[in-house]
Amino acid sequence: EVDLVESGGGLVQPGRSLRLSCEASGFIFDDYAMHWVRQAPGKGLEWVSGITWNGVRVDYADSVKGRFTVSRDNARNSLYLEMNSLRPEDTALYYCGRGQGSLYSSGPVTDWGPGTLVIVSS
Amino acid sequence: QSVLTQPPSASATPGQGVTISCSGDSSNVGPNAVSWYQQLPGKAPKLLIYSDNHRPSGVPDRFSGSKSGASASLAISGLQSEDEADYYCTAWDVSLNNWVFGGGTKLTVL
Repeated sequence: EVDLVESGGGLVQPGRSLRLSCEASGFIFDDYAMHWVRQAPGKGLEWVSGITWNGVRVDYADSVKGRFTVSRDNARNSLYLEMNSLRPEDTALYYCGRGQGSLYSSGPVTDWGPGTLVIVSS
Repeated sequence: QSVLTQPPSASATPGQGVTISCSGDSSNVGPNAVSWYQQLPGKAPKLLIYSDNHRPSGVPDRFSGSKSGASASLAISGLQSEDEADYYCTAWDVSLNNWVFGGGTKLTVL
């Protein structure tokens, strides 16, 4: 059974940084692309970032480009999101998701973690 | 403002059917497969439909998807109270190099 567990969320001041982690189990991690998707309180889903199975190719939403960095450690079955220069509009529940194949562009998120909440406020 | 357009709400009575639309353009829905998610209150999204009209294992056949041109639809037949949820469509956008979502449709089972 696929299991994804995010961690690292919390309350952070505007302009500061935060690093989210996602620990994966129940599947061969380095066979799959991975995604980060966020949902602001009471709002819809927003794709944040994707990373291929080997970490060679990544993409970001324009809203986070230049501030967020996605990475993965296949030896640790883990996905990360480094978030810098955080803004109040980054406040959201951040979900880690498994892609449908090895490329994040080739298929949607098929499995989701429960999410970790990030609140950016002074 | 979401890239894909969905009606904000839909409603129907138990046992009836309902259809939720998703409109995109030549950069996303037109050339690429559409997927649909169901999000129950307080829960993570769940994949309902992928590749326009395919159901993952375990999704009841009451849920079906279709696509024509740059528009897609999710149909739910034999509505049950537990179908009350938010529904989102998504597709890969070749211009943005992003996954784009609809704004979501809140389905109420009356």
